Amino acid sequence: GIQVEQSPPDLILQEGANSTLRCNFSDSVNNLQWFHQNPWGQLINLFYIPSGTKQNGRLSATTVATERYSLLYISSSQTTDSGVYFCAARMNRDDKIIFGKGTRLHILP
Amino acid sequence: ETGVTQTPRHLVMGMTNKKSLKCEQHLGHNAMYWYKQSAKKPLELMFVYNFKEQTENNSVPSRFSPECPNSSHLFLHLHTLQPEDSALYLCASSQDRYATYNEQFFGPGTRLTVL
Repeated sequence: GIQVEQSPPDLILQEGANSTLRCNFSDSVNNLQWFHQNPWGQLINLFYIPSGTKQNGRLSATTVATERYSLLYISSSQTTDSGVYFCAARMNRDDKIIFGKGTRLHILP
Repeated sequence: ETGVTQTPRHLVMGMTNKKSLKCEQHLGHNAMYWYKQSAKKPLELMFVYNFKEQTENNSVPSRFSPECPNSSHLFLHLHTLQPEDSALYLCASSQDRYATYNEQFFGPGTRLTVL
């Protein structure tokens, strides 16, 4: 079936480090979002990025739709960046919205 | 109030109880969604309403009953739940489920425990 896979599943980094989170999708998509889920469960919108590159402060994202992946870059990590990062895609074939299983990021002080 | 709000934030109920979850969006959107997030599982889309019409029901058991009286409000009525229904229930909204641009915005969630 159609899949959205995120890697790595877990990531532990020291404060100040940079990281790259990946989202692969098995079929073509027409919507792609990145979210950060904080410890209280709130999903915070990071990027709406079906294609191209966007930057917001220390975070940036790139989606290469033709190669079916998206990347989220976090630079100069802070402890407040800890949490789970999800990508969610809407598939061209059937319009279904599918979330990946997330990458759990833990930034050590 | 701004964004998407959900009440209650926490709910504990017995298997024979009836309760309702409420979601309200203040973004002028026309689509609203219920998601379920269980421990160690990806978010699962349960129901979608677009312009007050239910457009998706992803094989959700009938003990979950959604209601969308207008584009700003969404309810999830719960009855005779099972312990495995314990989860974080998230509401989201977007401008139009089927529009080219469909960015979703989420509420804070209701953490449900079924005893």
